[in-house]
Amino acid sequence: KNQVEQSPQSLIILEGKNCTLQCNYTVSPFSNLRWYKQDTGRGPVSLTIMTFSENTKSNGRYTATLDADTKQSSLHITASQLSDSASYICVVSAAKSSASKIIFGSGTRLSIRP
Amino acid sequence: DAGVTQSPTHLIKTRGQQVTLRCSPKSGHDTVSWYQQALGQGPQFIFQYYEEEERQRGNFPDRFSGHQFPNYSSELNVNALLLGDSALYLCASSRRGTTSYEQYFGPGTRLTVT
Repeated sequence: KNQVEQSPQSLIILEGKNCTLQCNYTVSPFSNLRWYKQDTGRGPVSLTIMTFSENTKSNGRYTATLDADTKQSSLHITASQLSDSASYICVVSAAKSSASKIIFGSGTRLSIRP
Repeated sequence: DAGVTQSPTHLIKTRGQQVTLRCSPKSGHDTVSWYQQALGQGPQFIFQYYEEEERQRGNFPDRFSGHQFPNYSSELNVNALLLGDSALYLCASSRRGTTSYEQYFGPGTRLTVT
């Protein structure tokens, strides 16, 4: 069964600190993995997209890693800011041509405290 | 360049009623996907429209139907509303409906069923 599991479910850190969010997947065959940031009550916004051959991709203070062998990905946030408070969703696509094969994780709720 | 837009922003309906949600895709996109996101959960795929036809469908009952217009905009209709239909409904647009790479999400419509 295609699944995407994220951990932790929620996380609270102090402003300025770093954190790492985890994503494990069993989606097969793998096409790509995407991290989204979703503010409360808003639509998700894409942070990074990674294909099978990519190990690391950065977007400002966000750095995503992918280990296709262990089927794990992480999102590292550096020097957190209050505006980073949001849900972070890991999305894995099983096939490029099938919308029904896009599997969403339940997200990690990140709260940044001043 | 306008992104994905959705209307209305919020909606309150009574059980048994019918509702129509609207979505305009990002400029240059021709494919629209609809998702249902319950509070604290990841989005669940409802269906996808391309060339005015439903191309793929997730595990949702026939009470959920849709339509795509020649200008690529789309509607999501839900009949005989249930309390469990309360959720954030997200529209995502992409080009040619073949990949999640270029899937952009709208801000969502918050539906509350009482």
